[in-house]
Amino acid sequence: GAVVSQHPSRVICKSGTSVKIECRSLDFQATTMFWYRQFPKQSLMLMATSNEGSKATYEQGVEKDKFLINHASLTLSTLTVTSAHPEDSSFYICSASPGTSGGTYNEQFFGPGTRLTVL
Amino acid sequence: AQRVTQPEKLLSVFKGAPVELKCNYSYSGSPELFWYVQYSRQRLQLLLRHISRESIKGFTADLNKGETSFHLKKPFAQEEDSAMYYCALSGPGGGNKLTFGTGTQLKVEL
Repeated sequence: GAVVSQHPSRVICKSGTSVKIECRSLDFQATTMFWYRQFPKQSLMLMATSNEGSKATYEQGVEKDKFLINHASLTLSTLTVTSAHPEDSSFYICSASPGTSGGTYNEQFFGPGTRLTVL
Repeated sequence: AQRVTQPEKLLSVFKGAPVELKCNYSYSGSPELFWYVQYSRQRLQLLLRHISRESIKGFTADLNKGETSFHLKKPFAQEEDSAMYYCALSGPGGGNKLTFGTGTQLKVEL
């Protein structure tokens, strides 16, 4: 089946530093990748949609300058949390989709998530 | 705006008992509905989608447009069904975006 990896799985950083999280589709080309944030015992909240070779589309309320997303290839997207603060501590999950076909949904395959702790 | 509601945070049933995980949605159009499952220490994975009309691991879900519901059901719960279940919605032309419910933790007791 389709596999999506995330690196690192866990990261602890000091306040004010930047952290980069990688999301890779290992055995398929991902036209679209998504980044989610999940707080403890809460649902996944979509942060942004990333299409290869174009700028990411951010959801309302998500700071573009804070959460930089790059989707430089069909197998890699990165999320950089810039100048991280304790309130950015969360579980970040990416998913990858082979693409859309008109209005038909194409399955999203999820990564294992990255636990970010900002001290 | 599209919204998915899962009213139960936790559902505890005995092994062999029927299971029904509730999901209601609001969407002005014809959405596609999904159930995702997350087993302990594993990643989120698709369980089933309404357009497939399949039974996966004994689970079924029927889209009821009149009641805007997509409840997940299984006649006889198994211990291995214990997991977190998320109902999700995708709207046509929404660029494949998913809106998730808050999830229901299913605990199957022996």
